[in-house]
Amino acid sequence: EIVMTQSPATLSVSPGERATLSCRASQSVSSNLAWYQHKPGQAPRLLIYSASTRATGIPARFSGSGSGTEFTLTISSLQSEDFAVYYCQQYNNWPPALTFGGGTKVEIK
Amino acid sequence: QLQLQESGPGLVKPSETLSLTCTVSGVSISNNNYFWGWIRQPPGKGLEWIGSFYFSGSTHYNPSLKSRVTLSVDTSKNQFSLRLNSVTAADTAVYFCARTPVGAPSEFYFDFWGQGTLVTVSS
Repeated sequence: EIVMTQSPATLSVSPGERATLSCRASQSVSSNLAWYQHKPGQAPRLLIYSASTRATGIPARFSGSGSGTEFTLTISSLQSEDFAVYYCQQYNNWPPALTFGGGTKVEIK
Repeated sequence: QLQLQESGPGLVKPSETLSLTCTVSGVSISNNNYFWGWIRQPPGKGLEWIGSFYFSGSTHYNPSLKSRVTLSVDTSKNQFSLRLNSVTAADTAVYFCARTPVGAPSEFYFDFWGQGTLVTVSS
């Protein structure tokens, strides 16, 4: 099973600042990686797929990069609505396996 | 407008079967452009994919849960369901239903999710 490790577990950022979230795969997943945003009590939202393609309706301040084993989600200027938990997910060895990272919580500094 | 809504008992006894339904509105489950599936999140832990199906074809399960999981569909109600048998406390989680667009063979991400429903396994 491919293990996805996200860091840091918690990121404290002031509104307007840049946030950089990391996701590492235990083996190469090529560019087969997605990022999601999840707020308590809400449905998770797809932000990025194929490592760097923004999903429909996602603001340009969200960007994804990386390939192989190292990936980054960058939020260029944090807005109040961006404070949430972010998850990465690999789908390189689909089927049958899909695995998620443990999440990074972005909180207000 | 697309909506996915999970429903089912919030409390299940150990060794019994957990049954949940996802009601889809805004698109037909029999639309061949999508997979439909389930993901769960135990309290304080990360997300775990359970399984997904394609209406006109295959069903795929997480190998770690495959022996206990069954997915089914009711097109007359535009619903799909999850059954997880022989549950233990480790199956306590928020259960989400979600949609996957059919794309390149290697692509499998979830573009739309329900809000989730908490299921507690306890006597």
